[in-house]
Amino acid sequence: EVQLVESGGGLVQPGGSLRLSCAASGFTFSDHYMDWVRQAPGKGLEWVARIRKRGNSYTTEYAASVKGRFTISRDDSKNSLYLQMNSLKTEDTAVYYCARGQCSGGSCYCGLNWGQGTLVTVSS
Amino acid sequence: DIQMTQSPSSLSASVGDRVTITCRASQGISNYLAWFQQKPGKAPKALIYAVSSLQSGVPSKFSGSGSGTDFTLTISSLQPEDFATYYCQQYNSYPLTFGQGTRLEIK
Repeated sequence: EVQLVESGGGLVQPGGSLRLSCAASGFTFSDHYMDWVRQAPGKGLEWVARIRKRGNSYTTEYAASVKGRFTISRDDSKNSLYLQMNSLKTEDTAVYYCARGQCSGGSCYCGLNWGQGTLVTVSS
Repeated sequence: DIQMTQSPSSLSASVGDRVTITCRASQGISNYLAWFQQKPGKAPKALIYAVSSLQSGVPSKFSGSGSGTDFTLTISSLQPEDFATYYCQQYNSYPLTFGQGTRLEIK
């Protein structure tokens, strides 16, 4: 059974930092692109970041709203995905989901599987 | 960025009904279009990718169609467990973008 379990969320002041983790199991983690997606309270889904697999040099992509502040990384030896979030703003308040990518027909979509999410609240 | 616009934003239907949700992209996205279902307090669930390919385990009552910029998700014979919010996602180019969601409610 595929499992993605996020952790690391919590309350942080504006300007602060937080590191989210996602532990993966039930599939060959190293074979997949991985994403972070967030959902502000009562709002829709917003893609945040992607990291490709080793065969694609672990290259990354970011949403403009987080570029330069957030860093996505992975440790295939630990089947884990991370999101380092710096210079946090109140508008970063959201549930953050870890999602497994699936590649088909020349491109890769986000969200074959999802974790349960971890809540990040940025407030003074 | 490619904008994804879903219509309607909300929809009321009855058990047994057939409903269609539309997703329009601001520019062509080939067939790189996926659909997701989300229930309150839960993570999204993948339904369809590549416009019309059903994810494993998803019942055939869900179907997708379209090309270029206009896409649809059709759900036949609605059951109580189908009432949820549905999102489309384009993965043709970065940033990946989702539609704003369509809330399907019981009439």
